[in-house]
Amino acid sequence: SAVISQKPSRDICQRGTSLTIQCQVDSQVTMMFWYRQQPGQSLTLIATANQGSEATYESGFVIDKFPISRPNLTFSTLTVSNMSPEDSSIYLCSVEDRLAGGSYEQYFGPGTRLTVT
Amino acid sequence: QKEVEQDPGPLSVPEGAIVSLNCTYSNSAFQYFMWYRQYSRKGPELLMYTYSSGNKEDGRFTAQVDKSSKYISLFIRDSQPSDSATYLCAMTSYGQNFVFGPGTRLSVLP
Repeated sequence: SAVISQKPSRDICQRGTSLTIQCQVDSQVTMMFWYRQQPGQSLTLIATANQGSEATYESGFVIDKFPISRPNLTFSTLTVSNMSPEDSSIYLCSVEDRLAGGSYEQYFGPGTRLTVT
Repeated sequence: QKEVEQDPGPLSVPEGAIVSLNCTYSNSAFQYFMWYRQYSRKGPELLMYTYSSGNKEDGRFTAQVDKSSKYISLFIRDSQPSDSATYLCAMTSYGQNFVFGPGTRLSVLP
């Protein structure tokens, strides 16, 4: 299984500022995902990030608010721009691993807990 | 109707109890089914993985998939306080577009 690390693990930010979250994987992966998990809620997919192409955003999420970089097969960043208190959430990076036999598994990083004041 | 629904709601059981967690879904294209365990302030960790219909057992955990009923279950035998966490079901058809259930928060009381 892939081992995923995220930085920062948590942050408290002021309204109107931006925060960039880093995701590092210990192996090369094609697909990386960014999720948001609000308190007591399940996971909401923000976007899918493939190396060498623009990220694909889900409905309700736009590139200007959540720009994503994917410079190589082991690293990605998500920026939360012009933050408001409604952006307070846990942001999770994940990767998909396709195993021998064609099965799919998805692994998650530890998350970044963001509080916007 | 939501794409994936999960029950029960928050659940408290005594240590040693058998726990049953369930998800129903609407998309018959789903082929791969997963259960994740998420401890407080941690990311989800993959617990069980099943392809198509059938059962899979791993220690105290058993995952069941009934595609004809669009219903999956996770059973935990001899539950322990360390099993206290939120359990999320997830599913996908051919990778991409993983869909997650809302989660069930389980508390196992010593």
